[in-house]
Amino acid sequence: DGGITQSPKYLFRKEGQNVTLSCEQNLNHDAMYWYRQDPGQGLRLIYYSQIVNDFQKGDIAEGYSVSREKKESFPLTVTSAQKNPTAFYLCASSMMAGDYNEQFFGPGTRLTVL
Amino acid sequence: EDKVVQSPLSLVVHEGDTVTLNCSYEVTNFRSLLWYKQEKKAPTFLFMLTSSGIEKKSGRLSSILDKKELFSILNITATQTGDSAVYLCAVASGTYKYIFGTGTRLKVLA
Repeated sequence: DGGITQSPKYLFRKEGQNVTLSCEQNLNHDAMYWYRQDPGQGLRLIYYSQIVNDFQKGDIAEGYSVSREKKESFPLTVTSAQKNPTAFYLCASSMMAGDYNEQFFGPGTRLTVL
Repeated sequence: EDKVVQSPLSLVVHEGDTVTLNCSYEVTNFRSLLWYKQEKKAPTFLFMLTSSGIEKKSGRLSSILDKKELFSILNITATQTGDSAVYLCAVASGTYKYIFGTGTRLKVLA
């Protein structure tokens, strides 16, 4: 089945630890995105990537890092510099960024800082 | 600053009712407006609107865009409990950006 997978589903982190959230897609999409969703708020863009080995900061990139070594994969690292990382993280992908294409979303990772 | 505003924030109705969800936007370099349904996890795509005045329909759901007044509505007729979800509106802007509203939480009571 074509789609986007994210792992883990739930993640618990101690303060001061870095953690990496996985996102893989087999839709052959060019663009991939990471969003953060907090209760009662919309999706806020963390990072996006239009092609392999290139990525851009979104609106709330501080405390996060990404890589795009393969077209299918776009992992997100939540570093200890992120002050309030507890949130629901969604990965998305789309065909050529900016064309009339919708985004497809993964099932999300819920991160809790203990 | 680009923004997308949805109203109401939440809504409780009974099965069989008709609901209208609103989405207004102020976004530079508008490309399209999208509606998603989010239940527990991943948002699922409902509609993409690019032209004013052309209604898109899928079963009991329909949506229309007004690019002059900068808003869209999502209508759901004969609501069912399975329609309970958060409905997200997003605007695609420029080459990469999708700006999301906060969503409308709909609860349909049996």
